[in-house]
Amino acid sequence: EVQLVESGGGLVQPGGSLRLSCAASGFTFSNYWIHWVRQAPGKGLVWVSRISPDGGSTTYADSAKGRFTVSRDNAKNTLYLQMSSLRAEDTAVYYCARGKLVGTAGGSFDYWGQGTLVTVSS
Amino acid sequence: DIVMTQSPDSLAVSLGERATINCKSSQNILYSSNNKNFLGWFQQKSGQPPKLLIYWASTRESGVPDRFSGSGSGTDFTLTISSLQAEDVAVYYCQQYYSTPYTFGQGTKLEIK
Repeated sequence: EVQLVESGGGLVQPGGSLRLSCAASGFTFSNYWIHWVRQAPGKGLVWVSRISPDGGSTTYADSAKGRFTVSRDNAKNTLYLQMSSLRAEDTAVYYCARGKLVGTAGGSFDYWGQGTLVTVSS
Repeated sequence: DIVMTQSPDSLAVSLGERATINCKSSQNILYSSNNKNFLGWFQQKSGQPPKLLIYWASTRESGVPDRFSGSGSGTDFTLTISSLQAEDVAVYYCQQYYSTPYTFGQGTKLEIK
C-alpha cells in the first residue's frame, strides 16, 4: 500500500525556520517525482515545489523561491522541505504528493499524505 | 502562470441528480505531441487530503466510481457526477500540470439540496 506520511510541522515565529519530512512506503520512491502542495486554513490548494526522482532537478513556486529548499534521500525513502524566513502567509497544511507517472514529470498527483500543519505566528 | 477558473463556486444538487462543474484554463493545456490534456480533477472531503478522480481530463483513476466523468479539451473542461450520492459532498478542484507552477482552480463546494 502506497503511503506518504508528513511530519515536522508546528508553531514557528515569523522569520524562523522549519524542516518538513515526508516518509514514503509501498512503492519504489526513487522512481517518482514528488511534490509539495499547501493549503491555508479554509482556502484552496497551492503547489509549492517538486523534485525529480534522482533529486537533481527542483522547481519552486515564486512564493517559495529563495526561502524553501526541497530535497530527498532515496536511501531513506524520505522527502524534505526546508523552509526559512517564514511569514504569516506561509501558515498552511503542507502535503506531499506523488507524481503519477514513473520517471517523468508530466502527470497528475495520485497519492497524497495527510498533511502537516505549519503555523507562523508570534 | 496558467490561471484555472472554476464555476460555480458552490453547487447544491438533489440526491440522484446530475452535478456539473466547469473549469477554464487561461491557456491551452492540450499537449500537441501526445494529444493529451494536462488536466486533473480532485475531490477533497472535510479534514482529508485531496483524492485524484480524473487525469488527462477524462481518464478515471482506478477505484473511482463510474458516475464521475471528465470531458473537455484545450481550455474548457467539465467534471460530471451523473447521479449524486451523499458521499460526494466535498470540494472539487481542477488542476493543470501542463507547466509549472502547477495551478489549481479555486474549488467548487458541492452540497446536497
